[in-house]
Amino acid sequence: AQSVTQLDSHVSVSEGTPVLLRCNYSSSYSPSLFWYVQHPNKGLQLLLKYTSAATLVKGINGFEAEFKKSETSFHLTKPSAHMSDAAEYFCVVRRSGFQKLVFGTGTRLLVSP
Amino acid sequence: DVKVTQSSRYLVKRTGEKVFLECVQDMDHENMFWYRQDPGLGLRLIYFSYDVKMKEKGDIPEGYSVSREKKERFSLILESASTNQTSMYLCASSSPPTYEQYFGPGTRLTVT
Repeated sequence: AQSVTQLDSHVSVSEGTPVLLRCNYSSSYSPSLFWYVQHPNKGLQLLLKYTSAATLVKGINGFEAEFKKSETSFHLTKPSAHMSDAAEYFCVVRRSGFQKLVFGTGTRLLVSP
Repeated sequence: DVKVTQSSRYLVKRTGEKVFLECVQDMDHENMFWYRQDPGLGLRLIYFSYDVKMKEKGDIPEGYSVSREKKERFSLILESASTNQTSMYLCASSSPPTYEQYFGPGTRLTVT
């Protein structure tokens, strides 16, 4: 079965400093992995996705994630946080060929001035 | 742009009422999903549908049913609302080959 573990429920950074949101996955098969973002009172928006092409994936708003099979990780990073990045972030796994997604429990990113 | 719309942003219902949550997508997607989102639990799948009139239970189907009479519309039904169904409900749609899911804005349901 597929699962994801988001290692931090909350992450606090200062504006202009790097962001690291950690995600480990478990999958018996070659997975597809996603990061979604949810701003307050909004639906989820896709940030980026890994589907077995390049292991370093670039997304919207300057975010990127690296698929590391040996570490079963898919951490989300951004070099410099902006106030508008404050939101909840979900790491998601999908088994190849299947429609269902499995969501992590989310990491709330707080950005202070 | 893919658009997924949900009939209400906020809803307040009484215990025992029958509740309908509607979701419409405009991209001719085959798959549609209903999730509930609770703090600390992430998103949990209630039901999904991979075709008109086809449905499958997700991880937490108890107390819910669904209807998909047209491809673009997927309804979530709470037959007899209870206070433990107070939550944020999110609808999504997807299609092959990417199966990337597109989400609606959510309905915050409060059952009193």
